[in-house]
Parts: sequence; structure tokens; C-alpha cells
Amino acid sequence: QVHLVESGGGLVKPGGSLRLSCVASGFIFGDYSMSWIRQAPGKGLEWVASISSSSVSANYADSVKGRFTISRDNAQNSLFLQMRSLTDEDTAVYYCARAVYPLSSGYSNWGQGILVTVSS
Amino acid sequence: NFMLTQPHSVSESPGKTVTISCTGSGGNIASNYVQWYQQRPGSAPTTLIYEDNQRPSGVPDRFSGSIDSSSNSVSLTISGLKTEDEADYYCQSFDITTGVVFGGGTKLTVL
Repeated sequence: QVHLVESGGGLVKPGGSLRLSCVASGFIFGDYSMSWIRQAPGKGLEWVASISSSSVSANYADSVKGRFTISRDNAQNSLFLQMRSLTDEDTAVYYCARAVYPLSSGYSNWGQGILVTVSS
Repeated sequence: NFMLTQPHSVSESPGKTVTISCTGSGGNIASNYVQWYQQRPGSAPTTLIYEDNQRPSGVPDRFSGSIDSSSNSVSLTISGLKTEDEADYYCQSFDITTGVVFGGGTKLTVL
């Protein structure tokens, strides 16, 4: 059974940094592309970033490009999101998600989400 | 930029059938697969439909997806509505220029 567990969220001041982690189990992590998706309070889902199975390619939403970095450690079955220069608009629940198939752009599994609050 | 537009809300009675639309703009919706996700209040999203009309194991066949290329839209149909189907529903696809795209979500009320 696929499990994705996020951690690393919390309260951070504007301009600050935070690193999210997602530990995966129940599948061969290194075979699948992975993504981060967020949801601001009371709002819809917003794609943040995706990374290919072998880290060859990474893509970002315009809203986070240049501030966020997605990475992964296939040996540790882990996905990361380094967030810098945070603003209150980054306040959201952040989900990690696994692709349906190794190269799919859709998602089959989601983590439970982790809350990031940017506030002074 | 490619965008997906959903109705803000729909409502229907238990036992009935409801259809939620998702219309593409700025691109051809048939160019990439569409997924549908269900999000119950206070919970993470779960996948209902992938690749336009495929159901993951465990998703009841009351849920079905279809595509209408002539209107550049896809639809999620839920038959035999149950009160537990009350949730937010999101369509999602991909565009080579925009990246991963989500619709704004549709709140389904079952009353």
C-alpha cells in the first residue's frame, strides 16, 4: 500500500525559509516522478513543482520559480521542497503526490498534507 | 496559458445522477489526459479518475469520466448519489507551456 508522509511544516516569518520532506513507502520510489501541490486556506489546489524519477528534470509554477527547489533522494525514498523568501501568499497545506505511472502527469496517491504558515 | 474551468457548485438529491463539467481554454483538452480528484472536508484529495476515464482500484463504478472534444471539455458523472459524495471535486491536466493545471474545483452538495 502506498504511503506518503509529509513533515517539516510550521510557522515561519515573511522572508524566511523552510524545508518540507515527504517519505514514501509501498512502491519503488525511484521509478516515479513526484510533485508538490498546495492549497491555501479556503482555496483550490495549486501545482507547485514536479521532479522526474531520476532528478534529471524539475519544473515549477511561475509563482514559486526562483524561490522554491524540489529535490529527491531515491536511496532514502524521500522528496523535498526547499522554500525561500516566503510570503504570506505561500501559506497553505502542502501535499506531496505520486504520478499515476512513471511518466504520467496525473496523480494516483497523495500525502495527508502539512501546513505552512507564513506570518510575522 | 491553458486553463480548466469548473462550475463553482452543483447540488442534487441522493440517488440521483450529477455531472460536473471541466472546460479547457487556451489549448486542446484532448492533448493530455485529465484526472479527477475528490476532496472531502478536512481531508487530502483522493484520485477518482485518471487518464480521462480510468478508475483506480477501490473507486466505485458510480464514478465515471468522459471527454467531449467538440466542446473542449471533460465531465465527471456520479450516479446513485450518496450523502458521502458531498465533497469538492477537481479536474487536472497538463500543458507543455503552463505545466500541471487544476480546475478551480466544484463543491457538490447532496441534499
